[in-house]
Amino acid sequence: NAGVMQNPRHLVRRRGQEARLRCSPMKGHSHVYWYRQLPEEGLKFMVYLQKENIIDESGMPKERFSAEFPKEGPSILRIQQVVRGDSAAYFCASSPGAPPYTGELFFGEGSRLTVL
Amino acid sequence: KNEVEQSPQNLTAQEGEFITINCSYSVGISALHWLQQHPGGGIVSLFMLSSGKKKHGRLIATINIQEKHSSLHITASHPRDSAVYICAYPAGNQFYFGTGTSLTVIP
Repeated sequence: NAGVMQNPRHLVRRRGQEARLRCSPMKGHSHVYWYRQLPEEGLKFMVYLQKENIIDESGMPKERFSAEFPKEGPSILRIQQVVRGDSAAYFCASSPGAPPYTGELFFGEGSRLTVL
Repeated sequence: KNEVEQSPQNLTAQEGEFITINCSYSVGISALHWLQQHPGGGIVSLFMLSSGKKKHGRLIATINIQEKHSSLHITASHPRDSAVYICAYPAGNQFYFGTGTSLTVIP
């Protein structure tokens, strides 16, 4: 049973380009969460999605960031017109049940975005 | 306000030492998680606890719900324990995370 799969693991973009980060949750998990980890900071919530629905995007910047979790395929976090401040590690987590979820939390390996 | 504080921020220990990492939070919670993150690596769940104490190998986690405090102990520390240790708790649709304790165990 594969864990949470994220790709790419590392992504380099120039300012103004687009970044697309993908997350396939664990088998049987239909709840996906995206978190951002800035250097020297803790993980910060960005968005919570279920299949085809954005449930909570309260942590997502209002501009340039979007997320989706289509019926088929992985969840995608999209950052348009990247800026240097977007450089961070982006982690995806998944759970089998809806929040508040008190079971084990399953994370992917993260996608590390560097903006030049 | 959901806040999680960890101490110390950085910790260096000699191999074999007993290690304690502390986590304090500001709101009532149902469960607390301890996570491990290796440099450049993913995040792995170590413990989820809602009361008392849990042990897994050389790792022990305790929580005092009334005092809003949890500790992670590592007995007989080893260089492979070098990592960042993070505590977190669920609230609403998200988890709130501490900034982590960076542990280095020197042979």
